[in-house]
Amino acid sequence: DTGVSQDPRHKITKRGQNVTFRCDPISEHNRLYWYRQTLGQGPEFLTYFQNEAQLEKSRLLSDRFSAERPKGSFSTLEIQRTEQGDSAMYLCASSPTAGPLEKTQYFGPGTRLLVL
Amino acid sequence: DQQVKQNSPSLSVQEGRISILNCDYTNSMFDYFLWYKKYPAEGPTFLISISSIKDKNEDGRFTVFLNKSAKHLSLHIVPSQPGDSAVYFCAANSGYALNFGKGTSLLVTP
Repeated sequence: DTGVSQDPRHKITKRGQNVTFRCDPISEHNRLYWYRQTLGQGPEFLTYFQNEAQLEKSRLLSDRFSAERPKGSFSTLEIQRTEQGDSAMYLCASSPTAGPLEKTQYFGPGTRLLVL
Repeated sequence: DQQVKQNSPSLSVQEGRISILNCDYTNSMFDYFLWYKKYPAEGPTFLISISSIKDKNEDGRFTVFLNKSAKHLSLHIVPSQPGDSAVYFCAANSGYALNFGKGTSLLVTP
């Protein structure tokens, strides 16, 4: 299966701890996106990369959130000093940069974060 | 502000009948629209999409209709099957970010 993968699938942490999530996109996709989904809402865009360049990060929720994609392949999303309000599903998606599917984003299974 | 709205939180349909899920948007700059299906504890799965230059796109049992003047799109599922029971999200692409509605929970009963 060559879909988007995310690790871990579930994370429980205590308030104030740092957490890091990993996303591996579909191998031929250059663009990678992070979203957050809370209960009863649709996914909310956070940031995106084209190859290793982070082209949009103004919608990261606070300066406690950061993302990297150092080699243009996998990406990590880090949340520092977690708060209970950070509890959500964190979704990663990828898309190609050209072709008929360039505007279609394919999502991974998500990482469910619970901050106690 | 919610630029994509799904005003029906839930819908129940009998197996074999048509399911119609609706979506409205406010931003006329959106040029590509998508429907995703989501099961609990899983990521959204892409179903079907439509470009703003078209008014209909069909893929098997799924058809999406776009009415640009009304800023409205709909997803038709015919015939509906119990396995279609899930939450359906409408999304609009504004260049890179997808803007999602809050979803409609579809229940297909035998």
